[in-house]
Amino acid sequence: AQSVTQLGSHVSVSEGALVLLRCNYSSSVPPYLFWYVQYPNQGLQLLLKYTTGATLVKGINGFEAEFKKSETSFHLTKPSAHMSDAAEYFCAVIGTGANSKLTFGKGITLSVRP
Amino acid sequence: DSGVTQTPKHLITATGQRVTLRCSPRSGDLSVYWYQQSLDQGLQFLIQYYNGEERAKGNILERFSAQQFPDLHSELNLSSLELGDSALYFCASSARQQTGGRGYTFGSGTRLTVV
Repeated sequence: AQSVTQLGSHVSVSEGALVLLRCNYSSSVPPYLFWYVQYPNQGLQLLLKYTTGATLVKGINGFEAEFKKSETSFHLTKPSAHMSDAAEYFCAVIGTGANSKLTFGKGITLSVRP
Repeated sequence: DSGVTQTPKHLITATGQRVTLRCSPRSGDLSVYWYQQSLDQGLQFLIQYYNGEERAKGNILERFSAQQFPDLHSELNLSSLELGDSALYFCASSARQQTGGRGYTFGSGTRLTVV
């Protein structure tokens, strides 16, 4: 079964600094990969997704992620953090099998310091 | 607004009680998924319905059940509630039974507190 691993549970950056949230997937074939964001007291919002084609995927709010098959990774980045980026970020995967369901990582809480 | 509507937003109930959570999928979506988010287990897939029929089960307890009605809304029933059932319950929807790269659209969740 497909799974994703998010390293660390909390990342803290200064406003204006680079944001890097790591995600590695486990799958025998390249799966579909997603990043969702959960703001405090809100639901899950899709940031971006990788299906096929271009390995650098751009999402909303200035976020992007690069699919690297050789490293089985799909790390999320943003060049310059804003205070409004403070939230919990989830990496998720769906395999290509008929019964595959969206499976989430443990999530990473991003804090942004003024 | 994602288009997926969940009610109620908050629910406080006592141990041993039964509650029903409701979800209306995005217009045109036939699949509904239920997830449980807790501090210790993270986001766990519970169950999927597609066009009224159960399609997949995940880590759903026997005390929990769900159904999808002809108008495609879904209800998650939780009975004999325990303190450990306190969590945020999400509903998500998608157009098809297998979404592949399309992903799911999530509602804002129902926060259940069992006291």
